[in-house]
Amino acid sequence: DAKTTQPNSMESNEEEPVHLPCNHSTISGTDYIHWYRQLPSQGPEYVIHGLTSNVNNRMASLAIAEDRKSSTLILHRATLRDAAVYYCILRDPQGGSEKLVFGKGTKLTVNP
Amino acid sequence: EPEVTQTPSHQVTQMGQEVILRCVPISNHLYFYWYRQILGQKVEFLVSFYNNEISEKSEIFDDQFSVERPDGSNFTLKIRSTKLEDSAMYFCASSDQGLLSGHTFGSGTRLTVV
Repeated sequence: DAKTTQPNSMESNEEEPVHLPCNHSTISGTDYIHWYRQLPSQGPEYVIHGLTSNVNNRMASLAIAEDRKSSTLILHRATLRDAAVYYCILRDPQGGSEKLVFGKGTKLTVNP
Repeated sequence: EPEVTQTPSHQVTQMGQEVILRCVPISNHLYFYWYRQILGQKVEFLVSFYNNEISEKSEIFDDQFSVERPDGSNFTLKIRSTKLEDSAMYFCASSDQGLLSGHTFGSGTRLTVV
């Protein structure tokens, strides 16, 4: 599985934007970049995924570097409910493996 | 919004006993998964299930574990003879397009083996 690197923790203030980075320097051409989050005492929650172009949905935006060796999950206005562990995961549809490989992720703290 | 439902939310069992964890995936999803998370550790993949058979399993998923889709709605994980180290949160997930889409996870079953 291609490896991702994320900071262990980040802190933000409520109603401010949050940029969560992820490095994946060994990404292959067919790896999709997926983001999940896990709120305290809950199961993981799908956030967003993309391949090359930047992606937006109602939860967040995903900015992918031109060389695809890094990406950034953007929460436009953090709320207290966004406090969670955020996971950046690479998945290759052509690789045959369906599993999600979770790392330690980034623990986001949102201050009121 | 459709959700994955897991029951029970908490199960306490004696070592050596069999347990069955139940899941109702989203109705039009075709791919089903079980993951577990030991307290304070990473979320770990156990097994994936598609077209009424296991498509992939991890090293954790040994002969003590089995999965079944007994009818059109339920997806179960059975642990035949529980061990203390099986204590964990067990998450069921489903997806509609497998590798091309995200997983929707349930809120989990906390299994405590005593």
